[in-house]
Amino acid sequence: GAVVSQHPSWVICKSGTSVKIECRSLDFQATTMFWYRQFPKQSLMLMATSNEGSKATYEQGVEKDKFLINHASLTLSTLTVTSAHPEDSSFYICSARRSSGGFVDTQYFGPGTRLTVL
Amino acid sequence: AQSVTQPDIHITVSEGASLELRCNYSYGATPYLFWYVQSPGQGLQLLLKYFSGDTLVQGIKGFEAEFKRSQSSFNLRKPSVHWSDAAEYFCAVVPNTGNQFYFGTGTSLTVIP
Repeated sequence: GAVVSQHPSWVICKSGTSVKIECRSLDFQATTMFWYRQFPKQSLMLMATSNEGSKATYEQGVEKDKFLINHASLTLSTLTVTSAHPEDSSFYICSARRSSGGFVDTQYFGPGTRLTVL
Repeated sequence: AQSVTQPDIHITVSEGASLELRCNYSYGATPYLFWYVQSPGQGLQLLLKYFSGDTLVQGIKGFEAEFKRSQSSFNLRKPSVHWSDAAEYFCAVVPNTGNQFYFGTGTSLTVIP
């Protein structure tokens, strides 16, 4: 089956520092990857859509300069939380869509990254 | 407003008992419908999906879901719950006019011996 990994699985950082989260599709190519944020007891909220080789498309209300997304290859997308603050603490989940498939049935989710900003 | 509602935040069932998790959506036309399960520290695993056709959908791990257009619902069921089913369950929709997933708030399932 299609596997999506995220690294790190959890991270603790000091306020003001930047944190990079990686999302990899391990056994398929993904032209599109998605980044979600999940607060406790809340649903996943789409932050941005990342397309390989082009700029990410951010959802309304998501700060582009704070959440930098890079999708430099067909198997890797990164989310960098710049100048992190305690309110950025959350669970970040990525998903990847197979290049060869349609949309709704070929999207696979990573295990998530727990970010805690002190 | 468009929304996905999972009315039950937390459900506790005994092992071997039946289970039904509720999901209602509010969209203009029938969207694509999904149920995912998330165990602690794990990613989202697709249980089943509905695009069209037979309104009773069979999924993995013995789960099934029934789409009811009149009620705008897509409830997940399992006849006999196992302790390993304890997890967070998310209903999700993709409007047939778009390409974005919208998730419900999730239902946490506890299974007691």
